Amino acid sequence: DQQVKQNSPSLSVQEGRISILNCDYTNSMFDYFLWYKKYPAEGPTFLISISSIKDKNEDGRFTVFLNKSAKHLSLHIVPSQPGDSAVYFCAASDTGTASKLTFGTGTRLQVTL
Amino acid sequence: KAGVTQTPRYLIKTRGQQVTLSCSPISGHRSVSWYQQTPGQGLQFLFEYFSETQRNKGNFPGRFSGRQFSNSRSEMNVSTLELGDSALYLCASSWGQRRETQYFGPGTRLLVL
Repeated sequence: DQQVKQNSPSLSVQEGRISILNCDYTNSMFDYFLWYKKYPAEGPTFLISISSIKDKNEDGRFTVFLNKSAKHLSLHIVPSQPGDSAVYFCAASDTGTASKLTFGTGTRLQVTL
Repeated sequence: KAGVTQTPRYLIKTRGQQVTLSCSPISGHRSVSWYQQTPGQGLQFLFEYFSETQRNKGNFPGRFSGRQFSNSRSEMNVSTLELGDSALYLCASSWGQRRETQYFGPGTRLLVL
């Protein structure tokens, strides 16, 4: 039962353009969402998070949008840079099991010159 | 502030052996969570320790166990290794509260032959 889904395994974007990564979830108990970036053989690096009481959070080039009614969140990267090329995971947790993160399957982002 | 550290970084074992992995959290963090990453199953939650007590547990067999020491350092043990245990094992630390970010270490790559 995949409670967090990233339906696009890969995405290619030109440098300078916007990258939009999507994530859907099924568990209505999830109330905290995070995006991580990961390079091969390394641990995930935290990018940005959002609580279910908000619908948008911004940090520099990264913005996360949350649509609770649709159980959907997205990560926008503007402008995209070659160094952004990595695998991006969305993750979710609920208040009852706060430190247990449920991860999506990841989207590989390739930013081309 | 030093990040999460994991030792060893790489390990090769044979089937039937056991292995112990170590994780030192960010200073002050009291929660340590362990995750397994495999190509087929993605990132999956193993268990979480908070103040030396297991607080959450994922759906893994009893061969996977862990503990946490009074200084918050944690160890994970896998007994009777199977080929399918080959994976990247990641630990993450946090303060242990709701709606907070977990910070990951670089992982231990385990290969079971």
